[in-house]
Amino acid sequence: SQKIEQNSEALNIQEGKTATLTCNYTNYSPAYLQWYRQDPGRGPVFLLLIRENEKEKRKERLKVTFDTTLKQSLFHITASQPADSATYLCALYSSASKIIFGSGTRLSIRP
Amino acid sequence: DGGITQSPKYLFRKEGQNVTLSCEQNLNHDAMYWYRQDPGQGLRLIYYSQIVNDFQKGDIAEGYSVSREKKESFPLTVTSAQKNPTAFYLCASSRRSSENTEAFFGQGTRLTVV
Repeated sequence: SQKIEQNSEALNIQEGKTATLTCNYTNYSPAYLQWYRQDPGRGPVFLLLIRENEKEKRKERLKVTFDTTLKQSLFHITASQPADSATYLCALYSSASKIIFGSGTRLSIRP
Repeated sequence: DGGITQSPKYLFRKEGQNVTLSCEQNLNHDAMYWYRQDPGQGLRLIYYSQIVNDFQKGDIAEGYSVSREKKESFPLTVTSAQKNPTAFYLCASSRRSSENTEAFFGQGTRLTVV
């Protein structure tokens, strides 16, 4: 069956360290993968998109990698800050023309 | 300002009642989506629509219905057949899904059965 999984339900790290979140998928061949941020009680907000022919994408302190062989994307936040605390969701566009989301990783950055 | 608007923000429903959640967008997006989110969980797809007058079931469509009579609007009805409707409902829109573009979300409607 098709699955998109974010392995860590929660991640707690020290301010200033790099946070690394993982997204794995099975039985999909997505042309691109997206990452979103969601704060409590609010809708997700788009952060980054990476295409299948791109190995890495950066935006300020954010970096995303996409390995189609491993069927995995990694999302990094460098020099993390308490304001980065939120739930991060990965998403892909399936061949059935729908956007599917992972279950999310709740990231907490402690001062 | 362009955006996607959901209303109401909070909704209470009695057992056995149908309720309709509103979703309107002025982004000129073709595709619209409804997701359900339970506490501590990810987003599960209820229904989606690629074009006016057409929509498809998502992974958890039972007990829900939608319509897409206008490009701007994609209302979701939670029927009495939905056994556990208490949840946070999110509406999203995007450009035509064959293009690799992001989804824009509304602020959500929190539905509680009383």
